[in-house]
Parts: sequence; C-alpha cells; structure tokens
Amino acid sequence: DQQVKQNSPSLSVQEGRISILNCDYTNSMFDYFLWYKKYPAEGPTFLISISSIKDKNEDGRFTVFLNKSAKHLSLHIVPSQPGDSAVYFCAASYTGYALNFGKGTSLLVTP
Amino acid sequence: EAQVTQNPRYLITVTGKKLTVTCSQNMNHEYMSWYRQDPGLGLRQIYYSMNVEVTDKGDVPEGYKVSRKEKRNFPLILESPSPNQTSLYFCASSPLGANTDTQYFGPGTRLTVL
Repeated sequence: DQQVKQNSPSLSVQEGRISILNCDYTNSMFDYFLWYKKYPAEGPTFLISISSIKDKNEDGRFTVFLNKSAKHLSLHIVPSQPGDSAVYFCAASYTGYALNFGKGTSLLVTP
Repeated sequence: EAQVTQNPRYLITVTGKKLTVTCSQNMNHEYMSWYRQDPGLGLRQIYYSMNVEVTDKGDVPEGYKVSRKEKRNFPLILESPSPNQTSLYFCASSPLGANTDTQYFGPGTRLTVL
C-alpha cells in the first residue's frame, strides 16, 4: 500500500511562474520529508527536506511546506526555470534511513 | 569526487541466468540501500544495510540477495532472474547519524530480463 502519494503524474508550467508539486502521506509516524529531483539517465538527487517539527523550509527558489494535520506537503519553485524540468519524487521516513517514495511528478517548464 | 557507482549501467539477460549488479561508494557511508524504479510505482526499496555484515529486507526483497562484506560495496544478486525483475535499479548510501537526511544515489542500472 502506497504510504506516500503524488497524485499528479505531470505538471506543465511557464518559465518564470510558480510550480507547485503536491504530496500526501498516510503514515502519521513519518517525521522527515524530502524532495528528490531526477533527470533522465541519472540517479535522484536530494533537493530539500523538512522535519515534522517545522512547517516550512526554504532554500533559494525552493520552498517546502508541511501541513501535518492534513498529512500533506508541497514543493514550491519560484521562479520556475527550464532547467527545473525533471521528475520530482516526494519521500518520507520515520527511521531516518528507509525512504518511502511517491510515484513522482514530471515537471515541464516551458520557455 | 564523492560518488556512488554502479556496474553495469545496462544489462540484457535471459531468465534464470544468475547476475550481480555491483555498487560501490567512496564516502565511507555506513548505510547502503537498493531500490527499483518501475513506471507508475516510483522507487521501492529492495534491501538495505546499516553496516558491514548487517542487512535487512525492504519492501520488495523477493528474488534478490545482497551481501555487505566491505563497507564500500553492496552488490545486488539475482540468483534466477525473471522477466518481472526487468526494471531500473538504484543503489544509494548515506552516513549514520542524527542529522542524516539525504541519501546519495548511483546513476542506475537498467536491467532487462528476457
């Protein structure tokens, strides 16, 4: 049973606009959440994370929001750039190591 | 350069022919893990290892074996591959510690079992 869900398989956004990628989880024991970015023919690379004691974490153009009561997190990319086009995986953990991944959302940023 | 390497990157084989996919990291990480990525299913953990000689099953361990005889290496063994093991495989590693929050992934191995 998928404990981390990304319900949008794809998203298309114009360059300069905001991209919002969503993720829902079912296991209330998860206490660490991460976003990974994956380009074709490469392994996933870590993008940004958030602990369950926070509700927001920012790193440059990337911000992750966590709503624990709704078991929902989102990744905001502002402004979106063509180089951001990739597959984004949401992941969650409660052991600190074993990651439960969502199915991924393919983001396309058009010029 | 800190990295996780996997070999081979691409492999086509036939049902029942034993194969090994190697994984090596040069970051002295204790934790290593194998995932498979399938369309519509995301990444699923196969096996993981917290340190040398310590391995445990992930979510989808059936049909796979692993070993951790050295800290840097974590090979994935398919004793009798079947077509449903056709997939994209990723090895990952991370250090142990309270602030560990990322895993470093290898470039992937695309396996086709005919």
